[in-house]
Amino acid sequence: DAKTTQPPSMDCAEGRAANLPCNHSTISGNEYVYWYRQIHSQGPQYIIHGLKNNETNEMASLIITEDRKSSTLILPHATLRDTAVYYCIVRSAGQAGTALIFGKGTTLSVSS
Amino acid sequence: GAVVSQHPSWVICKSGTSVKIECRSLDFQATTMFWYRQFPKQSLMLMATSNEGSKATYEQGVEKDKFLINHASLTLSTLTVTSAHPEDSSFYICSARYIGDVAYGYTFGSGTRLTVV
Repeated sequence: DAKTTQPPSMDCAEGRAANLPCNHSTISGNEYVYWYRQIHSQGPQYIIHGLKNNETNEMASLIITEDRKSSTLILPHATLRDTAVYYCIVRSAGQAGTALIFGKGTTLSVSS
Repeated sequence: GAVVSQHPSWVICKSGTSVKIECRSLDFQATTMFWYRQFPKQSLMLMATSNEGSKATYEQGVEKDKFLINHASLTLSTLTVTSAHPEDSSFYICSARYIGDVAYGYTFGSGTRLTVV
């Protein structure tokens, strides 16, 4: 897997957009960017993934730079329930049978 | 869809006893399941990969005789912590790979908090 770098922690005010960055400068052409989050004392939860184009779903938006060396996960209107550790993971479709490997992630704290 | 149910959510056991944790895929067949361990304020660490009907593959440093994994059916994998000791106290999480809209994905159980006293 390509190495990813995320800030250890971020703060966000409730109702504001949370923008979580991830650097993956060694990403290969066939590797996807995945985002998961883990709320305290729960299992990880899938958020979104993308290859080249920006993606949006009901939870978040994913913005991938044109050179694909970095990406940003955007939670448009953060709530207290979005407080969690967010993990950016890069892997190829060819790794389908292998486990996800988690780095240290970014701890997002949303406050009122 | 693609729900994994993990039980128990928490367990307290005496040192030297064994504890079994179950992980069930409720609405899909999980040919491959993964077990993770997470210590406080740390990330998830992969312990082993289990494939239905075959022996589990353990990560380096994980004692296979201590952490017994059984994946006898396409919907159930179990992790048994044998002769548990206080240092085995941790948060254990199972995961399963599924085929879905995104070609494949991973879903996770809610975790089991093990405390050995």
